[in-house]
Amino acid sequence: GDSVIQMQGQVTLSENDFLFINCTYSTTGYPTLFWYVQYSGEGPQLLLQVTTANNKGSSRGFEATYDKGTTSFHLQKTSVQEIDSAVYYCAMRDNSNYQLIWGSGTKLIIKP
Amino acid sequence: GGIITQTPKFLIGQEGQKLTLKCQQNFNHDTMYWYRQDSGKGLRLIYYSITENDLQKGDLSEGYDASREKKSSFSLTVTSAQKNEMAVFLCASSKGGANTEVFFGKGTRLTVV
Repeated sequence: GDSVIQMQGQVTLSENDFLFINCTYSTTGYPTLFWYVQYSGEGPQLLLQVTTANNKGSSRGFEATYDKGTTSFHLQKTSVQEIDSAVYYCAMRDNSNYQLIWGSGTKLIIKP
Repeated sequence: GGIITQTPKFLIGQEGQKLTLKCQQNFNHDTMYWYRQDSGKGLRLIYYSITENDLQKGDLSEGYDASREKKSSFSLTVTSAQKNEMAVFLCASSKGGANTEVFFGKGTRLTVV
């Protein structure tokens, strides 16, 4: 069945470092892929949505693309700040029932 | 904009107790969801509902009941609380369809003693 794997459980960076978080997916159809961000004490909120392979989505300084050849999609930011400390989830829409399939989340810690 | 309100914010129950979590949304969304969030395991779908009085099981429905009393509210019942299900329960809603955004509440943290 469809699945999403997010291997990086935690990433620790310093301010102004480059961020790269990767997920891999498995599906038989054409996926719609998402990145959600969850700040402490809040529910997850949509950060980016990518519907077409090799197209770039961008929001709040973050960019996301997906590669159909390697079935991977990633989130990146050139220069992270302390306010970016959060948990980042990748997710994929299941085209059979439109439900989201979630990765296990990557906790981003920014050292001041 | 809209908001999703979950009550209570913190819920403490005894092992074996029946517990109910409530959720209200004012987005006028058709679809509502209950997720369970365990540390390091992402979000797992318990139940969802695509319209009033509809109920669909997610991957984690065993041990839970849900009820969509009206379009704006969706409640979740833990039928017999167990110590290994201490987690944060997240309610969410969306318009429905393939590319629509899902909006979340702030969660109910369940502790079983």
